[in-house]
Formats: sequence, structure tokens, C-alpha cells
Amino acid sequence: AQTVTQSQPEMSVQEAETVTLSCTYDTSESDYYLFWYKQPPSRQMILVIRQEAYKQQNATENRFSVNFQKAAKSFSLKISDSQLGDAAMYFCALYNNAGNMLTFGGGTRLMVKP
Amino acid sequence: DTGVSQDPRHKITKRGQNVTFRCDPISEHNRLYWYRQTLGQGPEFLTYFQNEAQLEKSRLLSDRFSAERPKGSFSTLEIQRTEQGDSAMYLCASSPQTGGAGDEKLFFGSGTQLSVL
Repeated sequence: AQTVTQSQPEMSVQEAETVTLSCTYDTSESDYYLFWYKQPPSRQMILVIRQEAYKQQNATENRFSVNFQKAAKSFSLKISDSQLGDAAMYFCALYNNAGNMLTFGGGTRLMVKP
Repeated sequence: DTGVSQDPRHKITKRGQNVTFRCDPISEHNRLYWYRQTLGQGPEFLTYFQNEAQLEKSRLLSDRFSAERPKGSFSTLEIQRTEQGDSAMYLCASSPQTGGAGDEKLFFGSGTQLSVL
């Protein structure tokens, strides 16, 4: 079984500042992928960033970057220069080819203050 | 093609009634997934298809839940004898490949919000 844990139910950041969302996971597989998804009030899940477990280099997508610590099974998301449109629920998720399913954490609600 | 489409967006039903939801994946996506999301929680995996074959269904919540993908294109999720606890958002997702790196990238629809009265 694989699990994903997000320990921060809510986070708040000032516009233009940087915020980091935490995620830890557990899996017995060696081949897996990690994701951050954003879910705005429209409820549609939007892929933010993806990390292959076999890659040591941390993934980046514009203002979004991750800190992937494989030994610690930690996968945090950093949002730089936060914008009002970043306000949403953020879900960390884990996929492995053995299970062929995406397992989600409980989510972190991000609020952005103007 | 603009993405994964789900119909209806909202469904209100009375307890005991049957409901069916439809999902149209992105064209040529071989894999199709169903998830359930209750308020304030992350999505919970239900089942998935590789083309028309349902490869995992042990996570379906009870025998009242069933899913089909008859021609490997659209899929339906049916809930029989609905209960109030079935009230949730039902999300569909599709992914493009049959195996190997990349097929884990899921594209989600906007979901069907079910309310059971």
C-alpha cells in the first residue's frame, strides 16, 4: 500500500512572497512518480508539476519548484512570487507503475493575501 | 479536443434511486480512471480501464458501484440504490499511453457533483 500525507490543512501567503507546501509519502516501490495538483473552486484538478523518482534533479515549472528528498520520502512544493490566482487546494500525489493508480494526500488550502 | 468531459455536472437524486455518470476522455487516451472526492478530502481511487478492459475494480466502494467502457472510448459509472453517503464529487481522468514513462500523467475532468437527498 502507498500513502501520501499533507500535514498542513491551510497555508497563507502574502502576494509576491514565497510559500512552501509540505508532503510526505510512503511506498515500497522503487519506480514511482510524484505530482502536485491544483484544484481551484471550479473543482477541476490541474497538474502543476511532476517529478520522476529516479531523477535527482528537482523539477521546476516557472514559479513552481519542488524539493524532492527521496531518502526522507519528502516532496515539498515551493511557489515563488505568489499571485492571487494561486489560491486553491493543492494536492500531493504518488503514482507507481505496479499499482497503476494515483494516490492523493488530503490537500492543503492555500490562501493568498493581497 | 479540449479535454476530459463529464456529464452531468450536477446530479440531485433521492435515496434509493440509480444514477449513471458519463465520462468522455481525451481522444486516443488509452487509460481512463474514476475517482471519488468528498468535501475537504483528496480524491479516492475507484477503478480504471486500459482501453475496454477494467483492470482494477477492487477499490469500488461496494457492489452497488459499477463501471463500463464498452468500446474503449467513453465510460459510465453507475451507482445503484444510492445512499446519502454516496454524496460526493465523482472525477474522471484519462492518460495517454499504454505503459512506460509518461502514462502516469493524468488529465482530469471537472467532475460530477452528486447529492443524494
